[in-house]
Amino acid sequence: RKEVEQDPGPFNVPEGATVAFNCTYSNSASQSFFWYRQDCRKEPKLLMSVYSSGNEDGRFTAQLNRASQYISLLIRDSKLSDSATYLCVVITNTGNQFYFGTGTSLTVIP
Amino acid sequence: NAGVTQTPKFQVLKTGQSMTLQCAQDMNHEYMSWYRQDPGMGLRLIHYSVGAGITDQGEVPNGYNVSRSTTEDFPLRLLSAAPSQTSVYFCASSYSLAGASSSYNEQFFGPGTRLTVL
Repeated sequence: RKEVEQDPGPFNVPEGATVAFNCTYSNSASQSFFWYRQDCRKEPKLLMSVYSSGNEDGRFTAQLNRASQYISLLIRDSKLSDSATYLCVVITNTGNQFYFGTGTSLTVIP
Repeated sequence: NAGVTQTPKFQVLKTGQSMTLQCAQDMNHEYMSWYRQDPGMGLRLIHYSVGAGITDQGEVPNGYNVSRSTTEDFPLRLLSAAPSQTSVYFCASSYSLAGASSSYNEQFFGPGTRLTVL
């Protein structure tokens, strides 16, 4: 079983829409969680860390559900510039590796 | 700060050739890693290092060697290139991995090396 699983999409949404991605992780002792963004033919970059109590950064909200072992990313008022692949990342309690999901592709349509 | 730098950006090899992908960071990060990214496979860890002189294998280490003689540099060596190693290679670094999500365990990536093996 993969450490981290994501729906690959693609998600095609109109500008202004709200879209949500989920990511599940298999190790219940995982301790750190992140969302990264990757533009086409570019390197991944940190979008936001995910804290236990949930956190918000502008139009982006990240949530952690330890009981069900998933993290989520909500994007409100989607912009064309949000088009990218969103990667879910987990560090387990052994703490030696980042585990990446395969990514969810988002295209925001005018 | 230059962040994480990788060279070359593009490379074409013939089967059986060897080469070294260079990676350097100037952020005094202890943790460095190499990933390969293939369509539909996501990022897969090849090798990683938790500090100078210490390296370990990731998910897909076969055909690759690494060394970490300094904190700054973490080269990846392809021993005998095969077409299956055609991929995009990313080097990344972070201050550490320990603890809950924070700026200490944010990973910074280099721009990538696009490798084609014929």
